[in-house]
Amino acid sequence: ETGVTQTPRHLVMGMTNKKSLKCEQHLGHNAMYWYKQSAKKPLELMFVYNFKEQTENNSVPSRFSPECPNSSHLFLHLHTLQPEDSALYLCASSQGTGAEAFFGQGTRLTVV
Amino acid sequence: GEDVEQSLFLSVREGDSSVINCTYTDSSSTYLYWYKQEPGAGLQLLTYIFSNMDMKQDQRLTVLLNKKDKHLSLRIADTQTGDSAIYFCAETTVFGNEKLTFGTGTRLTIIP
Repeated sequence: ETGVTQTPRHLVMGMTNKKSLKCEQHLGHNAMYWYKQSAKKPLELMFVYNFKEQTENNSVPSRFSPECPNSSHLFLHLHTLQPEDSALYLCASSQGTGAEAFFGQGTRLTVV
Repeated sequence: GEDVEQSLFLSVREGDSSVINCTYTDSSSTYLYWYKQEPGAGLQLLTYIFSNMDMKQDQRLTVLLNKKDKHLSLRIADTQTGDSAIYFCAETTVFGNEKLTFGTGTRLTIIP
């Protein structure tokens, strides 16, 4: 248990569905991240939030919409996804400045 | 942009040493990390090294950094079945924000 909790662990959704991924940390960290992990590809950084402000959007399609209501919670809202969006979505948090990034267990997303 | 490369697979006999290699392109990398991902789990930080170091040892783990060649390696001594996992190399150059650039991961398989 790393202190970063993601729900749900598994999600199957149709291309017309709307769903949300949730990430929660109570480590007192200021920065939170969404990563996408696809098979045989490097982890892709999607979004970065620092003190609730989005500081990075790595050219992510608008069908992925992040929300950070406070420093402890991060959401990823999903709508009209494509089958190629099927992947493991990992949330992480850190204190910054070379500190360790703690990862959640991920949400395995399948788009059908 | 930054690029981090690893070979995808490595097989090692139980009890032998495993050496996982990583190369990166960004000469301004400040921190280099090794993460371990077990099946169904998120990433766990194993160890990290600052760019002004060339070696770090932590029990069975030895990290070697050749900054001139931009080459990082992780040696696991006396490899055990519990070491079976995917090992990710990552680097960051950004202070105050853990924007990690990951490699593809190396899947380590232990042969009994």
